[in-house]
Amino acid sequence: DAGVTQSPTHLIKTRGQHVTLRCSPISGHKSVSWYQQVLGQGPQFIFQYYEKEERGRGNFPDRFSARQFPNYSSELNVNALLLGDSALYLCASSTNPGGMNTEAFFGQGTRLTVV
Amino acid sequence: GNSVTQMEGPVTLSEEAFLTINCTYTATGYPSLFWYVQYPGEGLQLLLKATKADDKGSNKGFEATYRKETTSFHLEKGSVQVSDSAVYFCALRKYGGSQGNLIFGKGTKLSVKP
Repeated sequence: DAGVTQSPTHLIKTRGQHVTLRCSPISGHKSVSWYQQVLGQGPQFIFQYYEKEERGRGNFPDRFSARQFPNYSSELNVNALLLGDSALYLCASSTNPGGMNTEAFFGQGTRLTVV
Repeated sequence: GNSVTQMEGPVTLSEEAFLTINCTYTATGYPSLFWYVQYPGEGLQLLLKATKADDKGSNKGFEATYRKETTSFHLEKGSVQVSDSAVYFCALRKYGGSQGNLIFGKGTKLSVKP
């Protein structure tokens, strides 16, 4: 079975531009979460979606948005990019959002560099 | 609020040395606790977990015990290998309800020398 797949793997954008990152969860998983990992730090929660509805949002500005499609894949969009948005963006999928024994499986991430 | 604090790195050990990476947490209620590992250039992999007090998670020779009285979840391994070189993240998640995001510590980089 394929794991969580993210695309693209690397991306370079200019300040002020817009970016779309994509994630395909493990087959059968209906929950997708997005995390931002700045170099040298732990991942920070951005969004969680379950059954196409937003279930949680971290402390990120409105420039960040996401959605989940009927096939449970997801997109993370960032507008008006800043240098500080340079990070590894991780997607995690799970069967449901908050069960005690629910395990989150992470993709390899998308490395975004803003210049 | 909920948070995780883990020891600063980097940690450099010789092969076969004993490893301890400290992790403490602050949370309301009863979180689940996790250790994730990140190898260079890769995403996160779940190493082990514990879902209630006094549970011991174990995997690949690594162990951690959920200590509610000290709000800790220290990672240990009796004999490290060069292949264990990676960044280790302690994390918590509140279970129940409609949201289940993970809260991570800053990570501890481990380097094991032959």
